[in-house]
Amino acid sequence: QSVLTQPPSVSGAPGQRVTISCTGSSSNIGAGFDVHWYQLLPGTAPKLLIFGNDNRPSGVPDRFSGSKSDITASLAITGLQAEDEADYYCQSYDSSLSGYVFGPGTTVTVL
Amino acid sequence: QVHLVQSGAEVKKPGASVKVSCKASGYTFISYGITWVRQAPGQGLESMGWISVYNGHTNYAQKFQGRVIMTTDTTTSTAYMELTSLRSDDSAVFYCARGTSSKRGYYFDLWGQGTLVTVSS
Repeated sequence: QSVLTQPPSVSGAPGQRVTISCTGSSSNIGAGFDVHWYQLLPGTAPKLLIFGNDNRPSGVPDRFSGSKSDITASLAITGLQAEDEADYYCQSYDSSLSGYVFGPGTTVTVL
Repeated sequence: QVHLVQSGAEVKKPGASVKVSCKASGYTFISYGITWVRQAPGQGLESMGWISVYNGHTNYAQKFQGRVIMTTDTTTSTAYMELTSLRSDDSAVFYCARGTSSKRGYYFDLWGQGTLVTVSS
Protein backbone atom coordinates (compact mmCIF):
# COMPACT_ATOMS: atom_id res chain seq x y z
CA GLN A 1 0.00 0.00 0.00
CA SER A 2 1.51 3.28 -1.14
CA VAL A 3 1.82 6.34 1.09
CA LEU A 4 0.67 8.36 -1.92
CA THR A 5 -2.94 8.05 -3.05
CA GLN A 6 -4.20 8.38 -6.63
CA PRO A 7 -7.60 7.65 -8.15
CA PRO A 8 -7.55 4.28 -9.94
CA SER A 9 -8.93 5.74 -13.13
CA VAL A 10 -10.09 8.91 -14.85
CA SER A 11 -11.67 9.33 -18.26
CA GLY A 12 -12.60 12.06 -20.68
CA ALA A 13 -13.64 12.70 -24.23
CA PRO A 14 -11.13 13.90 -26.82
CA GLY A 15 -10.40 17.58 -26.30
CA GLN A 16 -11.53 17.61 -22.68
CA ARG A 17 -9.47 18.36 -19.59
CA VAL A 18 -8.78 15.72 -16.96
CA THR A 19 -6.90 15.98 -13.68
CA ILE A 20 -5.20 13.32 -11.59
CA SER A 21 -4.63 13.95 -7.90
CA CYS A 22 -1.79 12.60 -5.78
CA THR A 23 -2.44 12.93 -2.06
CA GLY A 24 0.26 12.38 0.51
CA SER A 25 0.97 13.40 4.07
CA SER A 26 3.23 15.47 6.30
CA SER A 27 6.13 13.07 5.72
CA ASN A 28 6.21 13.48 1.96
CA ILE A 29 4.32 16.05 -0.12
CA GLY A 30 3.30 18.02 2.97
CA ALA A 31 6.92 18.18 4.08
CA GLY A 32 7.75 20.10 0.95
CA PHE A 33 9.33 17.32 -1.07
CA ASP A 34 8.93 17.68 -4.80
CA VAL A 35 6.42 15.65 -6.78
CA HIS A 36 7.19 14.22 -10.20
CA TRP A 37 4.95 12.52 -12.74
CA TYR A 38 5.53 9.67 -15.16
CA GLN A 39 3.57 8.22 -18.07
CA LEU A 40 3.54 4.50 -18.77
CA LEU A 41 2.34 3.33 -22.14
CA PRO A 42 1.73 -0.43 -22.44
CA GLY A 43 4.92 -2.34 -22.97
CA THR A 44 7.18 0.68 -22.67
CA ALA A 45 9.43 2.12 -19.98
CA PRO A 46 8.16 5.00 -17.85
CA LYS A 47 8.55 8.49 -19.30
CA LEU A 48 9.11 11.58 -17.19
CA LEU A 49 6.27 14.04 -17.74
CA ILE A 50 6.63 16.61 -14.96
CA PHE A 51 9.51 17.22 -12.55
CA GLY A 52 9.80 19.50 -9.56
CA ASN A 53 6.01 19.80 -9.19
CA ASP A 54 5.36 21.94 -12.26
CA ASN A 55 8.22 21.69 -14.77
CA ARG A 56 8.01 19.98 -18.14
CA PRO A 57 11.06 18.29 -19.70
CA SER A 58 11.79 19.33 -23.25
CA GLY A 59 9.62 17.44 -25.69
CA VAL A 60 6.64 17.05 -23.39
CA PRO A 61 3.61 18.85 -24.83
CA ASP A 62 2.33 21.86 -22.89
CA ARG A 63 -1.01 20.04 -22.63
CA PHE A 64 0.52 18.45 -19.55
CA SER A 65 0.89 20.57 -16.44
CA GLY A 66 1.55 19.97 -12.77
CA SER A 67 0.77 21.75 -9.53
CA LYS A 68 1.14 21.21 -5.81
CA SER A 69 -0.59 22.57 -2.73
CA ASP A 70 -0.31 21.37 0.87
CA ILE A 71 -0.39 17.58 0.80
CA THR A 72 -1.78 17.20 -2.72
CA ALA A 73 -0.23 17.40 -6.17
CA SER A 74 -2.13 17.31 -9.44
CA LEU A 75 -1.44 16.48 -13.05
CA ALA A 76 -3.70 18.11 -15.62
CA ILE A 77 -4.07 17.05 -19.23
CA THR A 78 -5.84 19.54 -21.44
CA GLY A 79 -7.01 18.88 -24.98
CA LEU A 80 -7.10 15.15 -24.26
CA GLN A 81 -5.92 12.98 -27.18
CA ALA A 82 -6.22 9.27 -27.90
CA GLU A 83 -2.47 8.89 -27.49
CA ASP A 84 -2.79 10.04 -23.88
CA GLU A 85 -4.36 6.72 -22.90
CA ALA A 86 -1.82 5.39 -20.43
CA ASP A 87 -1.05 4.87 -16.76
CA TYR A 88 0.21 7.88 -14.81
CA TYR A 89 2.24 7.74 -11.61
CA CYS A 90 3.24 10.41 -9.13
CA GLN A 91 6.52 10.08 -7.21
CA SER A 92 8.02 11.85 -4.23
CA TYR A 93 10.29 11.29 -1.24
CA ASP A 94 9.01 10.09 2.13
CA SER A 95 11.02 10.99 5.21
CA SER A 96 9.41 8.31 7.39
CA LEU A 97 10.39 5.60 4.93
CA SER A 98 13.65 7.37 4.04
CA GLY A 99 13.10 6.56 0.42
CA TYR A 100 11.47 7.45 -2.88
CA VAL A 101 7.88 6.36 -3.31
CA PHE A 102 5.44 6.06 -6.19
CA GLY A 103 1.70 6.46 -6.12
CA PRO A 104 -0.41 3.43 -7.11
CA GLY A 105 -1.02 4.81 -10.57
CA THR A 106 -4.03 6.17 -12.46
CA THR A 107 -5.33 4.81 -15.75
CA VAL A 108 -6.50 7.49 -18.16
CA THR A 109 -9.11 6.41 -20.69
CA VAL A 110 -10.08 8.51 -23.68
CA LEU A 111 -13.75 7.90 -24.40
CA GLN B 1 22.61 10.18 -27.18
CA VAL B 2 22.03 9.22 -23.60
CA HIS B 3 20.95 5.67 -22.91
CA LEU B 4 20.51 3.09 -20.21
CA VAL B 5 20.62 -0.41 -21.68
CA GLN B 6 19.65 -3.33 -19.47
CA SER B 7 20.51 -7.00 -19.70
CA GLY B 8 18.12 -9.51 -21.18
CA ALA B 9 15.26 -11.50 -19.77
CA GLU B 10 15.95 -14.12 -17.12
CA VAL B 11 14.17 -17.24 -15.92
CA LYS B 12 15.07 -18.38 -12.43
CA LYS B 13 13.95 -21.07 -10.01
CA PRO B 14 12.61 -20.20 -6.55
CA GLY B 15 15.42 -19.65 -4.09
CA ALA B 16 17.90 -18.58 -6.76
CA SER B 17 19.38 -15.13 -7.33
CA VAL B 18 19.26 -12.83 -10.31
CA LYS B 19 21.65 -10.03 -11.24
CA VAL B 20 20.45 -7.39 -13.70
CA SER B 21 22.83 -4.97 -15.36
CA CYS B 22 22.22 -1.43 -16.57
CA LYS B 23 24.86 0.14 -18.82
CA ALA B 24 24.91 3.90 -19.15
CA SER B 25 26.16 5.86 -22.13
CA GLY B 26 26.15 9.44 -23.33
CA TYR B 27 26.54 11.13 -19.94
CA THR B 28 28.93 11.32 -17.00
CA PHE B 29 27.96 8.21 -15.06
CA ILE B 30 29.42 9.33 -11.76
CA SER B 31 27.40 12.56 -11.70
CA TYR B 32 24.02 10.90 -11.14
CA GLY B 33 22.43 8.29 -8.94
CA ILE B 34 20.68 5.14 -10.09
CA THR B 35 17.39 3.81 -8.82
CA TRP B 36 15.81 0.43 -9.42
CA VAL B 37 12.06 0.06 -9.84
CA ARG B 38 9.96 -3.08 -10.09
CA GLN B 39 6.67 -3.58 -11.87
CA ALA B 40 4.93 -6.88 -11.24
CA PRO B 41 2.30 -8.07 -13.73
CA GLY B 42 -0.80 -5.90 -13.47
CA GLN B 43 0.74 -3.88 -10.67
CA GLY B 44 2.19 -0.42 -10.26
CA LEU B 45 5.72 0.90 -9.99
CA GLU B 46 7.56 -0.07 -6.81
CA SER B 47 10.78 1.58 -5.70
CA MET B 48 13.46 -0.90 -4.67
CA GLY B 49 16.11 1.56 -3.65
CA TRP B 50 18.85 3.91 -4.73
CA ILE B 51 22.61 3.94 -5.18
CA SER B 52 24.87 6.94 -5.38
CA VAL B 53 27.32 6.24 -8.17
CA TYR B 54 29.64 8.89 -6.75
CA ASN B 55 30.30 7.20 -3.40
CA GLY B 56 28.49 3.86 -3.60
CA HIS B 57 26.10 4.73 -0.79
CA THR B 58 22.90 2.70 -0.98
CA ASN B 59 19.41 3.17 0.38
CA TYR B 60 17.19 0.12 0.04
CA ALA B 61 13.43 0.06 0.45
CA GLN B 62 12.50 -1.69 3.66
CA LYS B 63 10.65 -4.41 1.76
CA PHE B 64 13.83 -5.50 -0.02
CA GLN B 65 16.41 -5.01 2.70
CA GLY B 66 18.45 -8.15 3.20
CA ARG B 67 17.58 -9.46 -0.27
CA VAL B 68 18.79 -6.76 -2.65
CA ILE B 69 22.30 -5.61 -3.45
CA MET B 70 22.92 -2.59 -5.67
CA THR B 71 26.39 -1.89 -7.01
CA THR B 72 28.08 0.09 -9.74
CA ASP B 73 31.23 -0.28 -11.83
CA THR B 74 32.43 3.16 -12.81
CA THR B 75 35.07 1.72 -15.16
CA THR B 76 32.31 0.36 -17.41
CA SER B 77 29.52 2.82 -16.45
CA THR B 78 27.35 -0.08 -15.41
CA ALA B 79 24.96 -0.46 -12.50
CA TYR B 80 23.89 -3.81 -11.11
CA MET B 81 20.95 -5.00 -9.06
CA GLU B 82 21.07 -8.45 -7.48
CA LEU B 83 17.95 -9.91 -5.87
CA THR B 84 18.40 -13.07 -3.82
CA SER B 85 16.10 -15.78 -2.44
CA LEU B 86 13.72 -15.34 -5.34
CA ARG B 87 10.04 -16.21 -4.92
CA SER B 88 7.34 -16.58 -7.53
CA ASP B 89 5.93 -13.19 -6.60
CA ASP B 90 9.24 -11.59 -7.54
CA SER B 91 8.37 -12.18 -11.19
CA ALA B 92 8.31 -8.71 -12.67
CA VAL B 93 9.88 -6.21 -15.02
CA PHE B 94 12.81 -4.48 -13.37
CA TYR B 95 13.84 -0.99 -14.50
CA CYS B 96 16.91 1.05 -13.78
CA ALA B 97 16.63 4.82 -14.00
CA ARG B 98 18.93 7.80 -13.65
CA GLY B 99 18.26 10.08 -10.72
CA THR B 100 18.55 13.84 -11.11
CA SER B 101 18.20 16.24 -8.22
CA SER B 102 15.36 18.74 -8.02
CA LYS B 103 15.07 21.47 -5.41
CA ARG B 104 13.81 18.98 -2.84
CA GLY B 105 14.24 15.43 -3.99
CA TYR B 106 15.20 13.41 -7.02
CA TYR B 107 13.38 12.56 -10.21
CA PHE B 108 14.10 9.85 -12.73
CA ASP B 109 14.64 11.29 -16.17
CA LEU B 110 16.29 8.44 -18.07
CA TRP B 111 15.05 4.86 -17.94
CA GLY B 112 16.34 1.53 -19.12
CA GLN B 113 14.15 -0.59 -21.35
CA GLY B 114 13.30 -3.00 -18.54
CA THR B 115 14.32 -6.57 -17.80
CA LEU B 116 11.71 -9.30 -17.37
CA VAL B 117 12.54 -11.72 -14.60
CA THR B 118 10.38 -14.83 -14.34
CA VAL B 119 10.59 -16.99 -11.24
CA SER B 120 9.18 -20.45 -11.84
CA SER B 121 9.90 -23.99 -10.80
